[in-house]
Amino acid sequence: AQSVSQHNHHVILSEAASLELGCNYSYGGTVNLFWYVQYPGQHLQLLLKYFSGDPLVKGIKGFEAEFIKSKFSFNLRKPSVQWSDTAEYFCAVNGNNDMRFGAGTRLTVKP
Amino acid sequence: DAGVIQSPRHEVTEMGQEVTLRCKPISGHNSLFWYRQTMMRGLELLIYFNNNVPIDDSGMPEDRFSAKMPNASFSTLKIQPSEPRDSAVYFCASNRDRLYGYTFGSGTRLTVV
Repeated sequence: AQSVSQHNHHVILSEAASLELGCNYSYGGTVNLFWYVQYPGQHLQLLLKYFSGDPLVKGIKGFEAEFIKSKFSFNLRKPSVQWSDTAEYFCAVNGNNDMRFGAGTRLTVKP
Repeated sequence: DAGVIQSPRHEVTEMGQEVTLRCKPISGHNSLFWYRQTMMRGLELLIYFNNNVPIDDSGMPEDRFSAKMPNASFSTLKIQPSEPRDSAVYFCASNRDRLYGYTFGSGTRLTVV
């Protein structure tokens, strides 16, 4: 069975700080990896996704993620966060089209 | 494209009552998923359908929960009887293919009192 671990439950940063959110997954086969964002009171929106090829994936709003197969990791990064990035971020793995989500990381960006 | 449409947006009901949540997936998407989100348990996959057929319902918490997809454009999640611990936000999502990620609806916030 596939599973996802997000180690940071709540991250607090000041504007312009750099961000890295950890994500590790467990799955024996070929996986597709995703990061979703959920702004307060809203539904999940896709930030970026990895299928194959270049392990460094760029998404919307300046986010990127790097797939490291040997570490089963897919960490999310952003060089300089903004107050508007305050949200909850979910890593997800999709092995058999039954996507499983991590517990989420709440990001608070202080102005 | 109207996206995934869920109704109602909010539902408040008394314990013991039947609750029906509705979802209309994006046209052309052949897989549909029901998730439940709570503070304690995060996002849980309850059930998913492929071409209107339930594929995996192992996430359905108990027999009080049931889901149907009578056609490609409509699905329901029913809870009968409802209990306070069922209070959560229920999301529906759909996709065309496992490579494309999911598109989520706006969710139904269910409160059982």
